[in-house]
Amino acid sequence: EIVMTQSPATLSVSPGERATLSCRASQSVSSNLAWYHQKPGQAPRLLIYGASTRATGIPARFSGSGSGTEFTLTISSLQSEDFAVYYCQQYNNWPRTFGQGTKVEIK
Amino acid sequence: QVQLVQSGAEVKKPGASMKVSCKASGYTFTTFYIHWVRQAPGQGLEWMGIINPNSGSTIYAQKFQGRVTMTRDTSTSTVYMELSGLRSEDTAVYYCARAPFDSGAGWFDPWGQGTLITVSS
Repeated sequence: EIVMTQSPATLSVSPGERATLSCRASQSVSSNLAWYHQKPGQAPRLLIYGASTRATGIPARFSGSGSGTEFTLTISSLQSEDFAVYYCQQYNNWPRTFGQGTKVEIK
Repeated sequence: QVQLVQSGAEVKKPGASMKVSCKASGYTFTTFYIHWVRQAPGQGLEWMGIINPNSGSTIYAQKFQGRVTMTRDTSTSTVYMELSGLRSEDTAVYYCARAPFDSGAGWFDPWGQGTLITVSS
């Protein structure tokens, strides 16, 4: 199965600052990569699919890039509601697999 | 609006079976896949399998083969996930999530609210 590795495990950022999260696949997943965030006690929510397409209703401060094995999620100016755990997920191969998550916390 | 509403929390004994339901509304039930994903306490997300509500065909993660069964009832727009031979390690929140046919069953949107299953003697 494809192993998804996210870094860093925890990212401490001040509100208004930029956050950059990384996701690496153990083999190429083309652009078949999605990003989600999850707040405590809630279900995950889709942010990005196709590596770079924002889901409906997702603000423009979220952007995704990359293809193959290296991907990045950038949050241009962190808002209070963005502090959460972020997961990447590949859908190029079965089984579908997720990264272990990056927690974005308030600095 | 599109919604997936799951059944409520349960406590199960080791060795028992559980069955979680996921009722879809706000779209045509047979035109989107449904995935099941679980999350153990304080842990990440683990994909369990997928069902095509139109055909009933399924793909299960190898880890759960032989223990998991996913079914659907098109008359009520409901998908079910049954897991047998429960052990303490199966304590988790179980989520259903929709995926579009034209994405190759790719991304998950939206997700159900989650169902906490606690396995304890």
